[in-house]
Amino acid sequence: QKEVEQDPGPLSVPEGAIVSLNCTYSNSAFQYFMWYRQYSRKGPELLMYTYSSGNKEDGRFTAQVDKSSKYISLFIRDSQPSDSATYLCAMHTQGGSEKLVFGKGTKLTVNP
Amino acid sequence: EAGVTQFPSHSVIEKGQTVTLRCDPISGHDNLYWYRRVMGKEIKFLLHFVKESKQDESGMPNNRFLAERTGGTYSTLKVQPAELEDSGVYFCASSPTTTEAFFGQGTRLTVV
Repeated sequence: QKEVEQDPGPLSVPEGAIVSLNCTYSNSAFQYFMWYRQYSRKGPELLMYTYSSGNKEDGRFTAQVDKSSKYISLFIRDSQPSDSATYLCAMHTQGGSEKLVFGKGTKLTVNP
Repeated sequence: EAGVTQFPSHSVIEKGQTVTLRCDPISGHDNLYWYRRVMGKEIKFLLHFVKESKQDESGMPNNRFLAERTGGTYSTLKVQPAELEDSGVYFCASSPTTTEAFFGQGTRLTVV
């Protein structure tokens, strides 16, 4: 079983839609949960991160972590064509090298 | 502020040859990470430097890979000799702490 599972999609939505992206994980020691956005031929760009459980909001983006279910989500409100990218979840434990463990990424297209 | 810079952006080499990838982290970032994405798979951790010291190299695939970080500044990743399965995108990331990692644009390595 992979440590982090993420549906690769692709996911296609109309402009203005609410987008829900999700990951599940198996390692209960993960404490930091990140969402990265990656445009084609570019490196991953950190969108936001959450420590332990709870919600975090930044503009149109909301990250949720449910540690009891080992499930994390990223919601994008009022999606825009510029949001079209691959979204990667990543997480790490606390202490040590804190290396990131990534999901495969979900390819999102927002159609005008 | 300059971001993480990687050289070259793309390299095509023949099996058995040597290739050296370079990463210039964000100035002042003590933590430097190397990751790799092979086609169809998730991004995977290779190793972690704190300044010039290797903190964790548990993700290095085998002894054909050698990473160095000179004086705690830029880092190189050498593959010698390269094999077909080494093809992929190699990412470097740096961070001031171990929580937020900023990625470079990646080096796309193709071994033919």
